[in-house]
Amino acid sequence: DTEVTQTPKHLVMGMTNKKSLKCEQHMGHRAMYWYKQKAKKPPELMFVYSYEKLSINESVPSRFSPECPNSSLLNLHLHALQPEDSALYLCASSQEGTGDYEQYFGPGTRLTVT
Amino acid sequence: AQSVTQLDSQVPVFEEAPVELRCNYSSSVSVYLFWYVQYPNQGLQLLLKYLSGSTLVESINGFEAEFNKSQTSFHLRKPSVHISDTAEYFCAVSDLGNQGGKLIFGQGTELSVKP
Repeated sequence: DTEVTQTPKHLVMGMTNKKSLKCEQHMGHRAMYWYKQKAKKPPELMFVYSYEKLSINESVPSRFSPECPNSSLLNLHLHALQPEDSALYLCASSQEGTGDYEQYFGPGTRLTVT
Repeated sequence: AQSVTQLDSQVPVFEEAPVELRCNYSSSVSVYLFWYVQYPNQGLQLLLKYLSGSTLVESINGFEAEFNKSQTSFHLRKPSVHISDTAEYFCAVSDLGNQGGKLIFGQGTELSVKP
């Protein structure tokens, strides 16, 4: 199984809402990633978890809060978002959190903030 | 600091024609190189990667890329494209000392294959 799953596929939320994005992998990978991708742009790294510990935070605003409850699961909690946060949010995983392992991407959650 | 430049933002080509998508990188250390493909409304999929060894790497669907250290390039080629190759292609690098798995992506090249 080389699949990374993400739920929901689409999410529309108001600026005062709280919602969560979920990502799951069952490949035994020890590194998991959150990316944000705007239309016609490359993915931008937000967070990296390695062995369930946050290893990289790319200066992401606190309205985005990641959580890694176990080695297979990664959440992104959203609160008080802005319209400019509307984007495709991609989750990825890799065997280890080093540069030589390929990252497997999920299909993404398309988020619209109204 | 590392950077990746994809020289063409859009490449239109006719079906069965050859194509080359260009990628140049800048880094002060040795790097790993990747090409990812993103079909519409999907996530990214690894197309091929260069870690070490032979400088020519191939994918299962006919793409190949050649690592050229002196020109700091990793261009992607296919001798005959299909309509189904229409997608966005991203070149990416990470470095040998990378303990966070951070990928640096180029801006992407939109390949449009026309009948």
